[in-house]
Amino acid sequence: KNQVEQSPQSLIILEGKNCTLQCNYTVSPFSNLRWYKQDTGRGPVSLTIMTFSENTKSNGRYTATLDADTKQSSLHITASQLSDSASYICVVSALNFNKFYFGSGTKLNVKP
Amino acid sequence: SAVISQKPSRDICQRGTSLTIQCQVDSQVTMMFWYRQQPGQSLTLIATANQGSEATYESGFVIDKFPISRPNLTFSTLTVSNMSPEDSSIYLCSGKDGQSYNEQFFGPGTRLTVL
Repeated sequence: KNQVEQSPQSLIILEGKNCTLQCNYTVSPFSNLRWYKQDTGRGPVSLTIMTFSENTKSNGRYTATLDADTKQSSLHITASQLSDSASYICVVSALNFNKFYFGSGTKLNVKP
Repeated sequence: SAVISQKPSRDICQRGTSLTIQCQVDSQVTMMFWYRQQPGQSLTLIATANQGSEATYESGFVIDKFPISRPNLTFSTLTVSNMSPEDSSIYLCSGKDGQSYNEQFFGPGTRLTVL
């Protein structure tokens, strides 16, 4: 069964600290993996996308990694800011099916 | 990148009524989708809106409850019919072009409360 699991479910960190969010998946055949940021009351916005051959991708203070062998991905946030408070959703696409499997998200709260 | 707008942004409706949500994309997209997001949950795909033909519904969602139209490549509507409080949720429209690698853009969502 194709599934995407994220951890932790929620996380509270102090402003300026780093954090890492995890995503494990069983989707096959694998096409690509995206991390989205969803602010409260908004639609998700893509942060990074990685295909099978990519194992790291950065977007400013966001760095995503992918281990296609173990089917794990992480999103590392460096020097967190209050505006990083949001839900982060991992989405895995299946090859040739145009289907997307959504994780349940990690709710990040950055406190001053 | 595509910009997606939705109307209304939120609504409060009475049980038994219906609400139609509009989704407008500022550029042509091959595929459009409708999702539901319960409070604190991730997104669940309702259906894929197909231009000029019936939408493709996911398991647990039916056309009588969620009729969808897509008259062209930039516009779609989702109707939530005969609403009950269990339909209270955020409904999101998304658009995507071409292959699975391409970006999937999301609208801001419509927050629906059914009393």
